[in-house]
Amino acid sequence: GENVEQHPSTLSVQEGDSAVIKCTYSDSASNYFPWYKQELGKRPQLIIDIRSNVGEKKDQRIAVTLNKTAKHFSLHITETQPEDSAVYFCAATTNDYKLSFGAGTTVTVRA
Amino acid sequence: EAQVTQNPRYLITVTGKKLTVTCSQNMNHEYMSWYRQDPGLGLRQIYYSMNVEVTDKGDVPEGYKVSRKEKRNFPLILESPSPNQTSLYFCASSPTKAEQFFGPGTRLTVL
Repeated sequence: GENVEQHPSTLSVQEGDSAVIKCTYSDSASNYFPWYKQELGKRPQLIIDIRSNVGEKKDQRIAVTLNKTAKHFSLHITETQPEDSAVYFCAATTNDYKLSFGAGTTVTVRA
Repeated sequence: EAQVTQNPRYLITVTGKKLTVTCSQNMNHEYMSWYRQDPGLGLRQIYYSMNVEVTDKGDVPEGYKVSRKEKRNFPLILESPSPNQTSLYFCASSPTKAEQFFGPGTRLTVL
């Protein structure tokens, strides 16, 4: 089955700086890559996703890039703000149903 | 209000005592899924269902059962809970090939 590795496990950034989280996947047939954000004590919520026919996608301060050859995808958060502090999960799937998640990255934005 | 609900939200039980965690969604979504979240392991899919009477195993199905008799409900059944099933459980629903909406979570402790 699919194996998704996520790095780093923790990330501390100064407010206003950028944050980058990287995930690698094992199954070259994977074609959908969502990112979820989970604030403390809350449920995960989708923040951005990308399909394998697209190399990059942006939504305001967040962007995701996909390198199918290397089988990795990354989340980029620019101009970080305190409300960006959360746990971020990447995921990959070949069929939109059987999702495999990374272990998560705890992001702390220092004021 | 569109939502996914889970009950109970918190449960402490003993080894071997059968329990059911209910999940219900009011968005007429075809797809539903169960995940467990454990520190350092991220979200791991237990079972998923693509429609009524259609279910399939995720990555960690051992010790769990599910059923999908109605479109809105997807209960998770632990026939004989064990301490290694102590975890935070999330139910999710989704329209086909799109964002997953997570429930609020059920924190289960098996003594």
